[in-house]
Amino acid sequence: AQSVTQLDSQVPVFEEAPVELRCNYSSSVSVYLFWYVQYPNQGLQLLLKYLSGSTLVKGINGFEAEFNKSQTSFHLRKPSVHISDTAEYFCAVTTASGGYNKLIFGAGTRLAVHP
Amino acid sequence: SAVISQKPSRDICQRGTSLTIQCQVDSQVTMMFWYRQQPGQSLTLIATANQGSEATYESGFVIDKFPISRPNLTFSTLTVSNMSPEDSSIYLCSVFLSSGGSTQYFGPGTRLLVL
Repeated sequence: AQSVTQLDSQVPVFEEAPVELRCNYSSSVSVYLFWYVQYPNQGLQLLLKYLSGSTLVKGINGFEAEFNKSQTSFHLRKPSVHISDTAEYFCAVTTASGGYNKLIFGAGTRLAVHP
Repeated sequence: SAVISQKPSRDICQRGTSLTIQCQVDSQVTMMFWYRQQPGQSLTLIATANQGSEATYESGFVIDKFPISRPNLTFSTLTVSNMSPEDSSIYLCSVFLSSGGSTQYFGPGTRLLVL
């Protein structure tokens, strides 16, 4: 069975500071990895995804993530955060294939950006 | 990607009543999903709704409580029946797209409060 662990439930950070949100996964097969963001009172928006190829993936709003197979990690980073980045961030994993496989979510990390 | 809309966006309901949530997608999709997000929690898959077949429910969810319709490739409904305060959650519709990478997209959610 697959699982996702988001190591920090909450991450407070000051505006313009860098941030890293940590995600580790467990799987016996190859995986696809995703980060979704949920702004207050909104649904989930896809931030970025890793399917194959370069292990450094760039997403929207200046975020990027690096797939590290040996450490089974997919940490999300941004060099300089804004107040508007305050949101809940979810890491998710699924089995790598051309068809559908169930998406497994982490518990989420609440990013709070302070002025 | 896919553009997904949900109606209603939020509602306050009395216990014992039922609410039907609608999900509309801007393109034809085979696989649609309904998720529940309880307050402060991650997402839990309720069921998979494929057009032309009965919905497939996850463990802990039953058709009598959460009947689902999928009349065509762009629309689905989820009914929350005989509601109790424990049903207060965000309900999210999602679709799976295999073209352009195996990815799930989510709607804005329906925020339900049961009194």
